[in-house]
Amino acid sequence: GNSVTQMEGPVTLSEEAFLTINCTYTATGYPSLFWYVQYPGEGLQLLLKATKADDKGSNKGFEATYRKETTSFHLEKGSVQVSDSAVYFCALLRSSASKIIFGSGTRLSIRP
Amino acid sequence: DAGVIQSPRHEVTEMGQEVTLRCKPISGHDYLFWYRQTMMRGLELLIYFNNNVPIDDSGMPEDRFSAKMPNASFSTLKIQPSEPRDSAVYFCASSMGQGMGEQFFGPGTRLTVL
Repeated sequence: GNSVTQMEGPVTLSEEAFLTINCTYTATGYPSLFWYVQYPGEGLQLLLKATKADDKGSNKGFEATYRKETTSFHLEKGSVQVSDSAVYFCALLRSSASKIIFGSGTRLSIRP
Repeated sequence: DAGVIQSPRHEVTEMGQEVTLRCKPISGHDYLFWYRQTMMRGLELLIYFNNNVPIDDSGMPEDRFSAKMPNASFSTLKIQPSEPRDSAVYFCASSMGQGMGEQFFGPGTRLTVL
C-alpha cells in the first residue's frame, strides 16, 4: 500500500544550524510529494511540493528534491531560525486520488 | 479571501453529551476532509466528501461519529455520545479537484471531554 515514513522527533537545533528531516515513501505509480508545516496552535499548511521525479520544491528557504531511485523527499534548510519551530509532515498523493497520505510528523525546536 | 472556518475553536463537554463541530470550506472547493489529531495517534483522516457526497468514511472510529455536508458551504461532525477518549483537535480541510494536492486546513477545534 501507500505510505510515508519520516524521521522521528523531536529534533532540536541551534539557530543557523543546517536542517535535514528524512522522508521516504512507498507508492504505486508516480505520486506527488509534499511537505506540510504546522505551527503551534494552527492547522497544517503547505510548505512545498514536487509532482515528478527530480523536481525540487522550495519555499521560505526550505527545499526538497523528489528522488524516485531512493523513494525519498528529504526536507532541508541551510540556516534555521527560531520561527521555524513547528511540526513538519511529509505526505504523498497518487495522481488519481484525492486522499493525501501523511507521515507521522517531526517536531522541530530551534534554540536561540 | 477567508480560509477554512471552523467553530467552535474550543469545546469542553462532559462525557455522554452530544458534540457538534462545524466547518465552512473555501468557496469553490469541491473536496472536504475531516481529520483528528492526538499525541498518541497523530493525524487521522476520518471522512471526506466530494461535491457534498461522502466518499470514504473508513476512518470514522465508530457509530458514535457521524458527518454531514448538506451543501457546498457547510459541514458538521457530530459525536453522540461523547467519551473522554474523543478528546483531540479536529481539523477540517478543503481542496479543489482530484489529484491537485494542496489541502487548506482550518484552525481546528480543540475538544475536551471530561
